[in-house]
Amino acid sequence: DAGVIQSPRHEVTEMGQEVTLRCKPISGHNSLFWYRQTMMRGLELLIYFNNNVPIDDSGMPEDRFSAKMPNASFSTLKIQPSEPRDSAVYFCASASSGAEKLFFGSGTQLSVL
Amino acid sequence: GIQVEQSPPDLILQEGANSTLRCNFSDSVNNLQWFHQNPWGQLINLFYIPSGTKQNGRLSATTVATERYSLLYISSSQTTDSGVYFCAPLTGGGADGLTFGKGTHLIIQP
Repeated sequence: DAGVIQSPRHEVTEMGQEVTLRCKPISGHNSLFWYRQTMMRGLELLIYFNNNVPIDDSGMPEDRFSAKMPNASFSTLKIQPSEPRDSAVYFCASASSGAEKLFFGSGTQLSVL
Repeated sequence: GIQVEQSPPDLILQEGANSTLRCNFSDSVNNLQWFHQNPWGQLINLFYIPSGTKQNGRLSATTVATERYSLLYISSSQTTDSGVYFCAPLTGGGADGLTFGKGTHLIIQP
């Protein structure tokens, strides 16, 4: 199994640009999570999906952030427009069912200049 | 939401030493997981342990749900054990997201 796959690994962009992060969960997993990690706030849950349906997006910072899961094997997290304070590592994770072990991707290091 | 407190925040040990990391949480849980974030940033799931004790090689974990704490034991530490150890409990059911503690930063010196 290839594990959770995220792309890109690194993204450097300028303030105001649109950023799209991508995630492919482990095949057969029906729950997908987006986390953000910063030194100040640690690991924060942004949004999670169950069976491709967004269940809780209360962690999404503001309307500039949006996430989609068009099918069981793909999800995107979009930031538009991006701001320097969005700089962080964004992790995608998946699990086989509600309360099972969580597996993380390698993360996307985002730098907004 | 649930409050998670991990201790100690930082720990420096010599290779071969044993250590115990603690996680206290504020509510009853039906899921608790331990993760290791290595120096390259990768998050590895160590244990899924809502209650009881589990062992995996030199690592073991115990969760006493009634007293709202979990312990991670590392024996015969190796330099590759360095990194940050996170505890992540979950109070809800279904596909709710885990809440992460701030972690214990462990450095194993050769």
